[in-house]
Amino acid sequence: LAKTTQPISMDSYEGQEVNITCSHNNIATNDYITWYQQFPSQGPRFIIQGYKTKVTNEVASLFIPADRKSSTLSLPRVSLSDTAVYYCLVGDRSYSGAGSYQLTFGKGTKLSVIP
Amino acid sequence: TAGITQAPTSQILAAGRSMTLRCTQDMRHNAMYWYRQDLGLGLRLIHYSNTAGTTGKGEVPDGYSVSRANTDDFPLTLASAVPSQTSVYFCASSDPTGTEAFFGQGTRLTVV
Repeated sequence: LAKTTQPISMDSYEGQEVNITCSHNNIATNDYITWYQQFPSQGPRFIIQGYKTKVTNEVASLFIPADRKSSTLSLPRVSLSDTAVYYCLVGDRSYSGAGSYQLTFGKGTKLSVIP
Repeated sequence: TAGITQAPTSQILAAGRSMTLRCTQDMRHNAMYWYRQDLGLGLRLIHYSNTAGTTGKGEVPDGYSVSRANTDDFPLTLASAVPSQTSVYFCASSDPTGTEAFFGQGTRLTVV
């Protein structure tokens, strides 16, 4: 399973764009990159997933360079409600019963949004 | 749609006692997972199941067992609880494409 490295914490003011970068140097050809968000006392929630280039949804954008050894989660104009822990996961989406789709989380990045 | 349901929400358990944390999903997902979350350590995978009838060990399986008799249920059992198993436990399932995982609200377990 590819190991990921992300900053432990980040601070941002309300209204700013926040970019959280995740390093995954040993990403495999079949691996996808997925980001989750976790609020206190809740389970993680899926934000976005991508394989290469750029993916955008109503919540965030995900930028993946050509070598795929890193990825950047971009949150536009954050608000206080975006204060959470953000996790970067890398793994093969496929599983066939005997496979090892383990959905492994790291320690995540704690984002604090300041008024 | 209920999604993932965990029970109980919280529990205080005497050391040495056994307990089963329940997890049920109504999305017919094949893959299910159990995690524990401790302060400063993020989410750590205990056990997983890619389909009914199969289970696998995650990062921290010792002291825990699971079963997957059917698609919907994935109980986690602590045979003889120890204080180091005090944690918040999350159950999850993932959709067939492997794109998105859905988490329960967690079970806060305190072993005294």
